[in-house]
Amino acid sequence: GIQVEQSPPDLILQEGANSTLRCNFSDSVNNLQWFHQNPWGQLINLFYIPSGTKQNGRLSATTVATERYSLLYISSSQTTDSGVYFCAVDYQLIWGAGTKLIIKP
Amino acid sequence: EAGVAQSPRYKIIEKRQSVAFWCNPISGHATLYWYQQILGQGPKLLIQFQNNGVVDDSQLPKDRFSAERLKGVDSTLKIQPAKLEDSAVYLCASSPISGYGYTFGSGTRLTVV
Repeated sequence: GIQVEQSPPDLILQEGANSTLRCNFSDSVNNLQWFHQNPWGQLINLFYIPSGTKQNGRLSATTVATERYSLLYISSSQTTDSGVYFCAVDYQLIWGAGTKLIIKP
Repeated sequence: EAGVAQSPRYKIIEKRQSVAFWCNPISGHATLYWYQQILGQGPKLLIQFQNNGVVDDSQLPKDRFSAERLKGVDSTLKIQPAKLEDSAVYLCASSPISGYGYTFGSGTRLTVV
C-alpha cells in the first residue's frame, strides 16, 4: 500500500517564525489533505490539495503530484498554531505520522 | 451548523470488558467514518459507512470490534472484549461525499487497564 512520510517529526519555533512541513508519498494519489490536530485533540481539515497551490491566511500548501510530495507553509507562527500537522492521502485517507509543532511565545 | 457529536468523552474499563461509543454526524452527511488513533500516531480507519451500508471495514478487528449505522444517521462502535492494546482515541468523522469535506468529532479517549 501507499506509504506516507512526514518530516520533520518535531519542530520547535519562536512566535513569528516561518516553517515548512513536508509530506512524501510512495505512489500516485488522487486525494491529498492536510489536517491540524490541536493540543486538545480536535482535528481540523486545512487543505484539500491533490495538486497545485492553495493559500488560506498565513497557511499555504503546495503539492507536486509528479514528484510525490506536498509542502505546508506556516508564516508568522502564533502559539495557536501549535499541535500536530497530518498529511493524508487517497480517498480512504492513509495518514502520515504527523509533525508535532510547538510555537513558543 | 452543529459539529460531529461523540460520547462519552472519556472511558476507563478493565480488559475483557465491553464498551460502546456513539457518534452523531453532521446532518445530511452521507459518509461516516470511525478511526482509531494510538498515541503518537496518525489515525487509522476502522470502518467507513455510506448511508447505512459498509464501504470499507478491512482494518476492523472483526473478532472483537463491531459497528453499525442504523437508518444512515447515528452510529455506534463496540469493543467486546477489550484488550490493553485497544487503549486509544476513537474518532468519528463525517463528510458529505466520500473522501472530501471531513468534519471530525472530539473523540472518545479509551483506557483499558
